[in-house]
This record gives sequence, structure tokens and C-alpha cells, in this order.
Amino acid sequence: NAGVMQNPRHLVRRRGQEARLRCSPMKGHSHVYWYRQLPEEGLKFMVYLQKENIIDESGMPKERFSAEFPKEGPSILRIQQVVRGDSAAYFCASSRQEVETQYFGPGTRLLVL
Amino acid sequence: LAKTTQPISMDSYEGQEVNITCSHNNIATNDYITWYQQFPSQGPRFIIQGYKTKVTNEVASLFIPADRKSSTLSLPRVSLSDTAVYYCLVGDRGGSSNTGKLIFGQGTTLQVKP
Repeated sequence: NAGVMQNPRHLVRRRGQEARLRCSPMKGHSHVYWYRQLPEEGLKFMVYLQKENIIDESGMPKERFSAEFPKEGPSILRIQQVVRGDSAAYFCASSRQEVETQYFGPGTRLLVL
Repeated sequence: LAKTTQPISMDSYEGQEVNITCSHNNIATNDYITWYQQFPSQGPRFIIQGYKTKVTNEVASLFIPADRKSSTLSLPRVSLSDTAVYYCLVGDRGGSSNTGKLIFGQGTTLQVKP
């Protein structure tokens, strides 16, 4: 049973470009969560999605960031017009139900030059 | 929202038993205690979860006193590969304290030395 998949593992962007991070949850999991970890800090919740629905986006910056989890395909975290402060590790987690253990992917490390 | 407090760092040597204590004075009646482990450059990994008394699995043991205001993660005979950050979370069975959100503190950085 494959775990949570994230790609790319590493992403380099120049300021002003767009970054698209993908997450495929574990098989049978319909709940997806995105977290961000800045250098030398703990993980911070960003957004919680179920298929085609955003349940909680209270941790997501109001501008430039968006997330989706379509009926078919992976969840996408999109960052428009990236700035250096967006450089971080972005982790995706999934669970089968809301009140169940979250399993994390390996993360995408975004570097903004 | 139950807040957790744990030591920022701990050192140990290979073969020793390591105990990491987490304080959660405001834990609610329905709350569980969940521990995650994070290796450098990897995502967090679920280690163990408990509600009261003692829970043991192949990786660790979790001791929870009767008042549940604290808990202790015990790692038997650590090796160099146990060097990681260990996070204590209090919340529902998923570890969440608010609608699916996992709230991670700074965690405890365990350094295992040869």
C-alpha cells in the first residue's frame, strides 16, 4: 500500500513565478491536509480538503495561495507570484476519516531565488 | 485548546532508554495524546497514541498517569537512527485539536550519540 506521494520533491522558482505542489493521498483516503514548515520551525497547518471541497483554509495566507482536491487526480497547492518568504518545506497528509491518524508525505522543498 | 509543553532538546547515548515528558494541564475529557516523530528532511510519522494508563507498540511505550495532565514517551534502547524531533499532540483520535488541524509545537529534538 503506497504511502502519501508528493511531487516534486524539490522545486526552485524565481520571485514572481508560480509554484504547483502535488499530493496523492494514500489509497482509500479522502481527507487531505497541507502543512508548511519554515526553516528551524514546527509545522503549521494551512488547509484541509475533502474531495472537491475546502473544509478549513484558516491557515492559508489570504493572497497568492490556493488549494484544490478535484474529484479525479491529486490535490494541488498553488502559490502564485512566489516571494523569498515562501521558501519552506510543504507537507501533505491524508486520512481515511476526519478523526483518524494523518499520514504524511515526504514533502516538497520550495526554494525561491 | 489544550496546550502542550515539552523539553526543547535531549541528548542520549546508544542503547539507553529515553523518556520524553509532555505536560498538558488543560487536557479535555475526550482528548487523546498522540506522538509523532520527524526525521530531518522527512514528513512526520505517527508513533503512538493513548488515552490513559499505558500503551505499548513495537516502537515505543506511552505512559499516562491517572490525572492525564502529563504523558511520557519511552523509547527503549535508542540507536543513532532515533535522532529526530518528537512532537506531542493533544486532541481527538486523529491527534487534532480543531477540525482536522494538527497543531505542532516546537517538539523535542533528541540527539543520540555513539
